[in-house]
Amino acid sequence: EDQVTQSPEALRLQEGESSSLNCSYTVSGLRGLFWYRQDPGKGPEFLFTLYSAGEEKEKERLKATLTKKESFLHITAPKPEDSATYLCAVHDQGAQKLVFGQGTRLTINP
Amino acid sequence: GAGVSQSPRYKVTKRGQDVALRCDPISGHVSLYWYRQALGQGPEFLTYFNYEAQQDKSGLPNDRFSAERPEGSISTLTIQRTEQRDSAMYRCASSLALRPGTQKENYGYTFGSGTRLTVV
Repeated sequence: EDQVTQSPEALRLQEGESSSLNCSYTVSGLRGLFWYRQDPGKGPEFLFTLYSAGEEKEKERLKATLTKKESFLHITAPKPEDSATYLCAVHDQGAQKLVFGQGTRLTINP
Repeated sequence: GAGVSQSPRYKVTKRGQDVALRCDPISGHVSLYWYRQALGQGPEFLTYFNYEAQQDKSGLPNDRFSAERPEGSISTLTIQRTEQRDSAMYRCASSLALRPGTQKENYGYTFGSGTRLTVV
């Protein structure tokens, strides 16, 4: 059974303090790993898809990386507007659905 | 439409009543997914459709839950004889991709804002 575990559950940073969020996964065959951002009261918003180990993608202050067992979402010099819950999800080659982790709630203090 | 539209935004119902939740996906999106999200948790898969065909309903909790997408566009998730444990945010998502590996750059889901269901 596909499993996705995100850590930490919650992270509080000062503005400008860089850090990383972790997503560990177990699938029989990875077809894609997805990162989403979710603001309170809203649906998840698509950020990145990573398809193979070693791949990296960047968007503004965010960079996602992928290994065979985990993915990291690096946030560089974050701003208060980066505060949100970040969700990781995997697509197993045996299924079309995405399996989500429980999310990391990120708070950036000014 | 411009995004995935769900209605109603909020639904309060009495235990034992039936409810129907509606999802209007992005025009042209062939795949439609239903998820349920508890507070502080990630979305949990319920079921999905490609066009009008229900491909996987393994996530539906029991036979009180059903879904349809008769014309391959709008979908309805129906919960019969609601129970308090059914209270949650129900989210719909759609995507262009039909078969994995095609249209890679459009592969991510677009989620709606959800329907908050409260069973009292």
